[in-house]
Amino acid sequence: QQQVKQSPQSLIVQKGGISIINCAYENTAFDYFPWYQQFPGKGPALLIAIRPDVSEKKEGRFTISFNKSAKQFSLHIMDSQPGDSATYFCAASEEYSGAGSYQLTFGKGTKLSVIP
Amino acid sequence: EAGVTQFPSHSVIEKGQTVTLRCDPISGHDNLYWYRRVMGKEIKFLLHFVKESKQDESGMPNNRFLAERTGGTYSTLKVQPAELEDSGVYFCASSQPPGQGPTGELFFGEGSRLTVL
Repeated sequence: QQQVKQSPQSLIVQKGGISIINCAYENTAFDYFPWYQQFPGKGPALLIAIRPDVSEKKEGRFTISFNKSAKQFSLHIMDSQPGDSATYFCAASEEYSGAGSYQLTFGKGTKLSVIP
Repeated sequence: EAGVTQFPSHSVIEKGQTVTLRCDPISGHDNLYWYRRVMGKEIKFLLHFVKESKQDESGMPNNRFLAERTGGTYSTLKVQPAELEDSGVYFCASSQPPGQGPTGELFFGEGSRLTVL
């Protein structure tokens, strides 16, 4: 049972365009929603994260939109650049044990290719 | 500051053999996680250490997998005996204790790719 569904599986965007990746979750106890970026041969790295008390968070060209009632969140990359070409994973978690511990549930990933 | 380091980067073994993967977390990170990504699938949680204690090992596939974290420092993940379906990339991640920075961020290593033939 996949708890976080991510789409699309792959995405090709022209340089300067907007990349949009969508995720949906099922567990209403989730309270932390990060996006991770992974380049080939590297480990995933935190890109941006949101908690459900806000509907949007922006950091530079990257924006997370969050819809709690629909249990959906998305990543928007504005002015996409070839250097943004990577695999993007959405994830969700609830803090447990009170020790700042997070067991992330990941989506399957989206391979983004930004063409010049 | 060194990041999370994993060894080996790639291991090719035959079915039935044993492999041990090692992870050195970022110094001072009490939380250490193991995840696995089978090709084309999502990255899945395996287990979580807080210091030397196993906090949650609900994601471990079966008793062929054994994880240890000696003295709350580095961790090893042993697969014995390995099966074909164990092939994948094994990621280790660590995070800071609460109160020492933003919570929630996991710092991942580059992964250990395991191929079982």
